[in-house]
Amino acid sequence: DAGVIQSPRHEVTEMGQEVTLRCKPISGHDYLFWYRQTMMRGLELLIYFNNNVPIDDSGMPEDRFSAKMPNASFSTLKIQPSEPRDSAVYFCASSLFAGALNEQYFGPGTRLTVT
Amino acid sequence: AQKITQTQPGMFVQEKEAVTLDCTYDTSDPSYGLFWYKQPSSGEMIFLIYQGSYDQQNATEGRYSLNFQKARKSANLVISASQLGDSAMYFCAMYSGGGADGLTFGKGTHLIIQP
Repeated sequence: DAGVIQSPRHEVTEMGQEVTLRCKPISGHDYLFWYRQTMMRGLELLIYFNNNVPIDDSGMPEDRFSAKMPNASFSTLKIQPSEPRDSAVYFCASSLFAGALNEQYFGPGTRLTVT
Repeated sequence: AQKITQTQPGMFVQEKEAVTLDCTYDTSDPSYGLFWYKQPSSGEMIFLIYQGSYDQQNATEGRYSLNFQKARKSANLVISASQLGDSAMYFCAMYSGGGADGLTFGKGTHLIIQP
């Protein structure tokens, strides 16, 4: 399997622009997670989906952030408008099940820089 | 709420020595899982090892072992015979249910292996 695929790997944009990050989970995995990593806050869960349905978006920082999963093989995380404080590495992860016995497989991440 | 604490921001270790990376956790859920991930300078998150709260034996994966002390709520990672390629950030993470299926991460330990 190719693993979790994220695109783009790097994104540089100007403040106020819309940014869309993409993720393809491992085939057959029912759970998809979006995390954000910053120096100040470490790794934080933003939102996760089960069978394409958003289950918990309490980690989404504000209304500028939105995430969708239109089908089992694709998810997007959108920031509109972007701000410099959104600069971070955004990881997508997927897992077969949820629960304590479950390993999450991470994608390579998208490094976002907002100037 | 669950919490992961990694008290060692950085460590320097001589090549071929064993390394212990500390992790303590806090949860009120009796069913939980503990994970260790490695993040090299290239940025990807690599799963290393997993321990379930009901597991009777400490988990081992090659040179990695997890020293699980349930009463102390600790889940330290032990790397035997360290190699230069082990230099990376190491994150301890926990899944602890309660309707939230994402992982809670510690702040990480930056391990540097010296020749």
